[in-house]
Amino acid sequence: AQSVAQPEDQVNVAEGNPLTVKCTYSVSGNPYLFWYVQYPNRGLQFLLKYITGDNLVKGSYGFEAEFNKSQTSFHLKKPSALVSDSALYFCAVRDRTSGTYKYIFGTGTRLKVLA
Amino acid sequence: GAGVSQSPSNKVTEKGKDVELRCDPISGHTALYWYRQSLGQGLEFLIYFQGNSAPDKSGLPSDRFSAERTGGSVSTLTIQRTQQEDSAVYLCASSLGGNFQETQYFGPGTRLLVL
Repeated sequence: AQSVAQPEDQVNVAEGNPLTVKCTYSVSGNPYLFWYVQYPNRGLQFLLKYITGDNLVKGSYGFEAEFNKSQTSFHLKKPSALVSDSALYFCAVRDRTSGTYKYIFGTGTRLKVLA
Repeated sequence: GAGVSQSPSNKVTEKGKDVELRCDPISGHTALYWYRQSLGQGLEFLIYFQGNSAPDKSGLPSDRFSAERTGGSVSTLTIQRTQQEDSAVYLCASSLGGNFQETQYFGPGTRLLVL
Protein backbone atom coordinates (compact mmCIF):
# COMPACT_ATOMS: atom_id res chain seq x y z
CA ALA A 1 0.00 0.00 0.00
CA GLN A 2 1.14 3.52 -0.71
CA SER A 3 1.93 5.64 2.30
CA VAL A 4 3.76 8.70 3.48
CA ALA A 5 5.16 9.12 6.97
CA GLN A 6 6.07 12.32 8.73
CA PRO A 7 7.48 11.01 12.00
CA GLU A 8 7.51 14.32 13.86
CA ASP A 9 4.29 16.06 14.83
CA GLN A 10 6.21 19.20 15.69
CA VAL A 11 9.67 20.58 15.08
CA ASN A 12 11.06 23.52 17.03
CA VAL A 13 14.05 25.44 15.76
CA ALA A 14 15.66 28.75 16.66
CA GLU A 15 15.58 31.52 14.10
CA GLY A 16 18.72 31.48 11.97
CA ASN A 17 19.38 27.80 12.56
CA PRO A 18 19.01 25.16 9.84
CA LEU A 19 15.78 23.21 9.82
CA THR A 20 14.82 19.74 8.65
CA VAL A 21 11.32 18.31 8.34
CA LYS A 22 11.36 14.59 7.71
CA CYS A 23 9.35 12.55 5.23
CA THR A 24 9.58 8.93 4.20
CA TYR A 25 7.42 7.17 1.66
CA SER A 26 6.37 3.76 0.46
CA VAL A 27 5.10 3.27 -3.08
CA SER A 28 5.14 0.43 -5.51
CA GLY A 29 6.88 2.29 -8.31
CA ASN A 30 8.80 5.47 -8.88
CA PRO A 31 7.25 8.33 -6.94
CA TYR A 32 6.49 11.92 -7.61
CA LEU A 33 7.12 13.74 -4.32
CA PHE A 34 5.77 17.08 -3.16
CA TRP A 35 5.98 19.43 -0.21
CA TYR A 36 3.18 21.83 0.68
CA VAL A 37 2.91 24.42 3.43
CA GLN A 38 -0.25 25.55 5.20
CA TYR A 39 -0.34 28.84 7.04
CA PRO A 40 -3.13 29.44 9.59
CA ASN A 41 -6.57 29.73 7.99
CA ARG A 42 -5.06 29.38 4.55
CA GLY A 43 -5.09 26.68 1.90
CA LEU A 44 -2.07 24.60 1.05
CA GLN A 45 0.68 26.29 -0.90
CA PHE A 46 3.07 24.40 -3.14
CA LEU A 47 6.72 24.51 -2.09
CA LEU A 48 8.57 22.09 -4.33
CA LYS A 49 8.43 18.75 -6.08
CA TYR A 50 10.68 15.95 -7.22
CA ILE A 51 9.87 14.39 -10.56
CA THR A 52 13.16 13.12 -11.93
CA GLY A 53 16.76 14.18 -12.33
CA ASP A 54 18.80 15.95 -9.69
CA ASN A 55 18.09 14.57 -6.23
CA LEU A 56 18.33 18.02 -4.64
CA VAL A 57 15.27 20.09 -5.45
CA LYS A 58 15.05 23.80 -4.76
CA GLY A 59 11.73 25.45 -4.15
CA SER A 60 9.95 28.52 -2.87
CA TYR A 61 11.00 30.66 0.10
CA GLY A 62 14.52 29.20 0.22
CA PHE A 63 13.39 25.65 0.91
CA GLU A 64 15.00 22.60 -0.63
CA ALA A 65 14.50 18.86 -0.37
CA GLU A 66 16.68 15.88 -1.04
CA PHE A 67 15.31 12.75 -2.67
CA ASN A 68 17.02 9.64 -1.36
CA LYS A 69 15.84 6.52 -3.15
CA SER A 70 17.74 4.04 -1.00
CA GLN A 71 16.28 5.48 2.18
CA THR A 72 12.90 6.27 0.56
CA SER A 73 13.08 9.74 2.03
CA PHE A 74 12.35 13.27 0.89
CA HIS A 75 13.33 15.53 3.79
CA LEU A 76 12.60 19.25 3.59
CA LYS A 77 15.42 21.58 4.54
CA LYS A 78 16.27 25.23 4.87
CA PRO A 79 19.72 26.58 5.79
CA SER A 80 18.45 29.42 7.96
CA ALA A 81 14.97 29.40 9.49
CA LEU A 82 12.76 32.48 9.77
CA VAL A 83 9.98 33.09 12.27
CA SER A 84 7.67 33.48 9.27
CA ASP A 85 8.40 29.85 8.28
CA SER A 86 6.27 28.72 11.22
CA ALA A 87 3.45 26.72 9.66
CA LEU A 88 2.14 23.22 9.02
CA TYR A 89 4.11 21.27 6.41
CA PHE A 90 2.79 18.34 4.41
CA CYS A 91 4.69 15.81 2.38
CA ALA A 92 2.79 14.06 -0.42
CA VAL A 93 3.46 11.37 -2.96
CA ARG A 94 1.91 10.26 -6.21
CA ASP A 95 2.65 6.82 -7.47
CA ARG A 96 3.16 7.15 -11.19
CA THR A 97 2.64 3.46 -11.84
CA SER A 98 -0.65 2.93 -10.02
CA GLY A 99 -2.81 4.96 -12.37
CA THR A 100 -4.28 7.07 -9.60
CA TYR A 101 -4.14 10.82 -9.78
CA LYS A 102 -4.60 11.43 -6.11
CA TYR A 103 -2.01 12.59 -3.64
CA ILE A 104 -1.21 10.52 -0.59
CA PHE A 105 -0.49 13.01 2.18
CA GLY A 106 1.42 12.66 5.39
CA THR A 107 -0.18 13.76 8.65
CA GLY A 108 1.76 17.00 8.67
CA THR A 109 4.54 18.46 10.78
CA ARG A 110 4.08 21.70 12.63
CA LEU A 111 7.20 23.83 12.40
CA LYS A 112 7.74 26.43 15.07
CA VAL A 113 10.60 28.86 14.60
CA LEU A 114 11.52 30.63 17.81
CA ALA A 115 12.82 34.19 17.78
CA GLY B 1 -9.86 33.97 -11.27
CA ALA B 2 -6.41 34.14 -9.79
CA GLY B 3 -6.79 31.05 -7.67
CA VAL B 4 -9.10 28.30 -6.50
CA SER B 5 -12.04 29.66 -4.57
CA GLN B 6 -14.38 27.82 -2.24
CA SER B 7 -17.64 28.74 -0.61
CA PRO B 8 -18.80 29.04 2.02
CA SER B 9 -15.65 29.57 4.05
CA ASN B 10 -17.44 28.32 7.15
CA LYS B 11 -20.57 26.25 7.57
CA VAL B 12 -22.31 25.25 10.77
CA THR B 13 -25.15 22.77 10.44
CA GLU B 14 -27.22 20.47 12.55
CA LYS B 15 -26.82 16.73 12.49
CA GLY B 16 -29.02 15.18 9.83
CA LYS B 17 -29.12 18.20 7.53
CA ASP B 18 -27.68 18.23 4.00
CA VAL B 19 -24.87 20.60 3.00
CA GLU B 20 -23.41 21.69 -0.30
CA LEU B 21 -19.86 22.92 -0.67
CA ARG B 22 -18.74 24.73 -3.78
CA CYS B 23 -15.41 24.90 -5.58
CA ASP B 24 -14.40 27.21 -8.40
CA PRO B 25 -11.15 25.96 -9.93
CA ILE B 26 -8.55 28.04 -11.70
CA SER B 27 -9.80 28.97 -15.15
CA GLY B 28 -8.65 26.45 -17.75
CA HIS B 29 -7.85 23.71 -15.25
CA THR B 30 -9.52 20.49 -16.32
CA ALA B 31 -8.57 18.40 -13.27
CA LEU B 32 -10.29 18.97 -9.93
CA TYR B 33 -9.83 17.21 -6.60
CA TRP B 34 -11.62 17.19 -3.26
CA TYR B 35 -9.83 16.39 0.02
CA ARG B 36 -10.86 16.36 3.65
CA GLN B 37 -8.63 17.56 6.47
CA SER B 38 -9.66 16.47 9.93
CA LEU B 39 -8.08 17.82 13.09
CA GLY B 40 -4.82 16.02 13.76
CA GLN B 41 -5.05 14.06 10.54
CA GLY B 42 -3.45 14.40 7.17
CA LEU B 43 -5.39 15.23 4.08
CA GLU B 44 -7.74 12.51 2.95
CA PHE B 45 -8.49 12.19 -0.75
CA LEU B 46 -12.20 12.13 -1.63
CA ILE B 47 -12.70 12.37 -5.39
CA TYR B 48 -10.98 13.38 -8.63
CA PHE B 49 -12.61 14.90 -11.72
CA GLN B 50 -11.18 15.11 -15.19
CA GLY B 51 -13.52 17.39 -17.05
CA ASN B 52 -17.03 16.46 -15.99
CA SER B 53 -16.31 12.82 -15.33
CA ALA B 54 -15.02 11.33 -12.09
CA PRO B 55 -12.60 8.50 -12.84
CA ASP B 56 -11.62 8.17 -9.20
CA LYS B 57 -14.28 8.26 -6.47
CA SER B 58 -12.40 5.87 -4.25
CA GLY B 59 -12.06 8.25 -1.34
CA LEU B 60 -15.72 9.05 -0.76
CA PRO B 61 -16.30 7.70 2.77
CA SER B 62 -19.94 6.70 2.38
CA ASP B 63 -22.92 6.97 0.06
CA ARG B 64 -23.92 10.14 1.91
CA PHE B 65 -21.13 11.88 0.03
CA SER B 66 -21.46 12.81 -3.62
CA ALA B 67 -19.92 15.32 -5.98
CA GLU B 68 -20.63 16.66 -9.38
CA ARG B 69 -18.95 18.95 -11.82
CA THR B 70 -20.79 20.77 -14.54
CA GLY B 71 -19.39 22.47 -17.60
CA GLY B 72 -15.93 21.26 -16.73
CA SER B 73 -15.61 24.03 -14.19
CA VAL B 74 -17.49 24.48 -10.91
CA SER B 75 -17.84 21.48 -8.62
CA THR B 76 -20.22 20.84 -5.74
CA LEU B 77 -19.60 18.38 -2.94
CA THR B 78 -22.81 17.32 -1.22
CA ILE B 79 -23.03 15.64 2.14
CA GLN B 80 -26.43 14.23 2.99
CA ARG B 81 -27.71 13.56 6.50
CA THR B 82 -24.59 15.04 8.05
CA GLN B 83 -23.00 13.39 11.06
CA GLN B 84 -20.71 14.92 13.67
CA GLU B 85 -17.77 12.96 12.31
CA ASP B 86 -18.18 14.85 9.04
CA SER B 87 -16.84 17.96 10.78
CA ALA B 88 -13.61 18.87 9.02
CA VAL B 89 -12.06 21.28 6.56
CA TYR B 90 -12.93 20.37 2.99
CA LEU B 91 -10.28 21.39 0.49
CA CYS B 92 -10.58 21.64 -3.26
CA ALA B 93 -7.64 21.67 -5.64
CA SER B 94 -7.24 21.97 -9.38
CA SER B 95 -4.51 21.31 -11.90
CA LEU B 96 -4.10 22.01 -15.57
CA GLY B 97 -4.76 18.63 -17.12
CA GLY B 98 -4.43 15.82 -14.64
CA ASN B 99 -0.86 14.95 -15.58
CA PHE B 100 1.07 13.14 -12.86
CA GLN B 101 3.78 15.77 -12.80
CA GLU B 102 1.45 18.68 -12.33
CA THR B 103 1.20 20.75 -9.22
CA GLN B 104 -2.20 20.94 -7.62
CA TYR B 105 -3.36 24.37 -6.50
CA PHE B 106 -5.50 24.40 -3.39
CA GLY B 107 -8.36 26.61 -2.33
CA PRO B 108 -8.69 28.04 1.19
CA GLY B 109 -11.13 25.34 2.23
CA THR B 110 -14.59 25.18 3.77
CA ARG B 111 -14.66 24.56 7.50
CA LEU B 112 -17.68 22.41 8.29
CA LEU B 113 -18.99 21.99 11.82
CA VAL B 114 -21.83 19.56 12.44
CA LEU B 115 -23.53 20.08 15.77
